Amino acid sequence: NAGVTQTPKFQVLKTGQSMTLQCAQDMNHNSMYWYRQDPGMGLRLIYYSASEGTTDKGEVPNGYNVSRLNKREFSLRLESAAPSQTSVYFCAGSSGGAYNEQFFGPGTRLTVL
Amino acid sequence: TQLLEQSPQFLSIQEGENLTVYCNSSSVFSSLQWYRQEPGEGPVLLVTVVTGGEVKKLKRLTFQFGDARKDSSLHITAAQPGDTGLYLCAGTTGGSYIPTFGRGTSLIVHP
Repeated sequence: NAGVTQTPKFQVLKTGQSMTLQCAQDMNHNSMYWYRQDPGMGLRLIYYSASEGTTDKGEVPNGYNVSRLNKREFSLRLESAAPSQTSVYFCAGSSGGAYNEQFFGPGTRLTVL
Repeated sequence: TQLLEQSPQFLSIQEGENLTVYCNSSSVFSSLQWYRQEPGEGPVLLVTVVTGGEVKKLKRLTFQFGDARKDSSLHITAAQPGDTGLYLCAGTTGGSYIPTFGRGTSLIVHP
């Protein structure tokens, strides 16, 4: 089992360009999440999907959109990238329930020039 | 907004030393997780604690959940360079899909 996979691993964009970060999980998780991690700020939740067919905003959703394509896949789209979106992005899956344990992908390091 | 405060923020020690990392909140959590993140990788789940006063051991790592389920600690005995990384705690309140993460403790263990 691959667990949680993310593509690409690295990406450089120019301001105003768009791109989609892909995430897939083979752990049969109901819930999926997108976080960004910045120095000194910890992990901040961008969007999450509690179950297939639903998505909700997290702490820092502005400038992002998401799609829960099916139970396995959850993508994050930047429509018009800004330098403030330079960060490391992590996708995570969870079976939910009382424990809500998160299983993270390897991350995408994004630089916006 | 629920907050999880982790301390210390940074820790630099020599191989063989013991250390304790703390995770504190004013909120009560139904469960709390500890994760370790190595440079260039995603966080990896170490343990989940759910019962007040619970103690779990993972080799040289000892995790404790506070009696009131508002705080937790991670103790590492005889630290090794392989323990180097960012340690994150995260708590969830009952029925929520959203965990609250602390900002982490960055640990460096020198050979």
